[in-house]
Amino acid sequence: EAGVTQFPSHSVIEKGQTVTLRCDPISGHDNLYWYRRVMGKEIKFLLHFVKESKQDESGMPNNRFLAERTGGTYSTLKVQPAELEDSGVYFCASSQRTGQSRESDTQYFGPGTRLTVL
Amino acid sequence: ILNVEQSPQSLHVQEGDSTNFTCSFPSSNFYALHWYRWETAKSPEALFVMTLNGDEKKKGRISATLNTKEGYSYLYIKGSQPEDSATYLCARIYGGSQGNLIFGKGTKLSVKP
Repeated sequence: EAGVTQFPSHSVIEKGQTVTLRCDPISGHDNLYWYRRVMGKEIKFLLHFVKESKQDESGMPNNRFLAERTGGTYSTLKVQPAELEDSGVYFCASSQRTGQSRESDTQYFGPGTRLTVL
Repeated sequence: ILNVEQSPQSLHVQEGDSTNFTCSFPSSNFYALHWYRWETAKSPEALFVMTLNGDEKKKGRISATLNTKEGYSYLYIKGSQPEDSATYLCARIYGGSQGNLIFGKGTKLSVKP
């Protein structure tokens, strides 16, 4: 079974440009999460999809960030326009979260996209 | 305060040493605690999901315990090997949340051969 994949693995852009990150969750996982790790800090939650619906976007930093999940499959996270402080590693995770047990809440992470804004 | 704290921040041990790290968290409204092992440029690997006070879980040479009343979890590695070198992350989920993980900063373990 394929794991969570993310594209690109690295992106270097200039301040003011736009970047779109993609995440393909594990097949059959309805729950998809985006997280971000800024250098030296902890990984922080950005938002959560259940299928195509945004369940919780309380972690989104500002309106320069736009996440979508078309058809409840892959998800994209667009940053427009990018600022220097957006640099970091963006992780995507997916889970089944059936509610049958807390163990089913395990979130499986992708390798992340390392974004550098110059 | 929702912070998850991990200590130590980094740890250097010799091959064969046993070691342990601590994850501390507010004990109120506890739902679950997750441990991950992360090597840079790779996917964080799920190790354990801890849910009940007194839980003890084991995976090979790695084990974890949970105390929800006092708000801490320990991760133990017995007989550390160089391939254990990684950052170990803990994250908790609050009851009533949508399942988003609140992470600590991690403990970076280096095992010298």
